[in-house]
Amino acid sequence: KAGVTQTPRYLIKTRGQQVTLSCSPISGHRSVSWYQQTPGQGLQFLFEYFSETQRNKGNFPGRFSGRQFSNSRSEMNVSTLELGDSALYLCASSYRGGQDEQYFGPGTRLTVT
Amino acid sequence: AQTVTQSQPEMSVQEAETVTLSCTYDTSESDYYLFWYKQPPSRQMILVIRQEAYKQQNATENRFSVNFQKAAKSFSLKISDSQLGDAAMYFCAYRSWGSARQLTFGSGTQLTVLP
Repeated sequence: KAGVTQTPRYLIKTRGQQVTLSCSPISGHRSVSWYQQTPGQGLQFLFEYFSETQRNKGNFPGRFSGRQFSNSRSEMNVSTLELGDSALYLCASSYRGGQDEQYFGPGTRLTVT
Repeated sequence: AQTVTQSQPEMSVQEAETVTLSCTYDTSESDYYLFWYKQPPSRQMILVIRQEAYKQQNATENRFSVNFQKAAKSFSLKISDSQLGDAAMYFCAYRSWGSARQLTFGSGTQLTVLP
């Protein structure tokens, strides 16, 4: 079974632009969670989607948004990029969320210049 | 809100020796999960071991075992017979039993394995 895939793996954007990151979960998994990893703040939860609905949200500004499609693939969008948005963005999928294990993708490295 | 603390930013161990990584957490909940994740240089997070708070028995996965002290809110990871491939950043993480399904991570411990 293929693992969680994230595209693109690396991305360079300019301050003020917007960006969309994609995550394809493991086949059959319906829950997708997003995390931001930075040297200063560590790993922080962004949001979780289940069956196309946002089920949980972390403490991030409204510039960070996401969605999930009927095939469970998820996208996250960051508008009006700031230098501080430079980070590794990790996606994790699980069958239903809750007690199920989360399996992580390789991440997307976003650099904002 | 739950917090997870890893007080050892860096640790080193000789190959084939044993090392213990520390983790403490703060929560008012009685049911929850605790995890250790490994993040090698490839940056892919890999689940090492999982512990349900209601289980008194400490979890074990091959060379990896935990010492779970619920009253002390302590959750340490012991790696036996350390191998070069164990070198990575190790994160301790907490997850609620209930509706909040996100993982709360500690700041990580960078483990170096010396040949």
